[in-house]
Amino acid sequence: NAGVTQTPKFQVLKTGQSMTLQCAQDMNHNSMYWYRQDPGMGLRLIYYSASEGTTDKGEVPNGYNVSRLNKREFSLRLESAAPSQTSVYFCASRTTSRGGNYGYTFGSGTRLTVV
Amino acid sequence: AQSVSQHNHHVILSEAASLELGCNYSYGGTVNLFWYVQYPGQHLQLLLKYFSGDPLVKGIKGFEAEFIKSKFSFNLRKPSVQWSDTAEYFCAVTLYGNNRLAFGKGNQVVVIP
Repeated sequence: NAGVTQTPKFQVLKTGQSMTLQCAQDMNHNSMYWYRQDPGMGLRLIYYSASEGTTDKGEVPNGYNVSRLNKREFSLRLESAAPSQTSVYFCASRTTSRGGNYGYTFGSGTRLTVV
Repeated sequence: AQSVSQHNHHVILSEAASLELGCNYSYGGTVNLFWYVQYPGQHLQLLLKYFSGDPLVKGIKGFEAEFIKSKFSFNLRKPSVQWSDTAEYFCAVTLYGNNRLAFGKGNQVVVIP
């Protein structure tokens, strides 16, 4: 099925461990995003990539790194996980058009717990 | 920086009641506006979006929203809710041509059968 695929769906880490969240889209979208969702906070942008080869910080980038491996894939890395990074992480992508009539597609999320 | 405000974070209502969720954004310029819904345990799904044209937008599942530029608002409405509308609803805004989608904090809606 076309869309945004995230792996893993669930993960438990110990404080200080590292891991990479994977995201891939098969819609030939230019822009990709990583958000985290916390209760009462809505979704906050961590990093985004406007196009292949570029990445930019969002609202809450500290403690994270990203890689736009190619047009399809955009990964999020936690180098040294902290309990404050316990959250649900969503990847999204969107097409870019000059008319601005774009839509965002979200993945199903990764529920991460850091103990 | 752009910001999005949603009020009344928790809403509880009975089936067949009407629902209205407020959304206000904080900056000028041409905006693109969205409402997303997240059912329990699921990812975000688009309810409706506004880019230009008729400020009254109709979305899926009987939802509609009205863009009022002078009030910087994009309120979501449904005349008669069902138990299956229990979900969290997010308003989101992006400036035309900007890559960033900014979300409100969400409204948790519970519909009692």
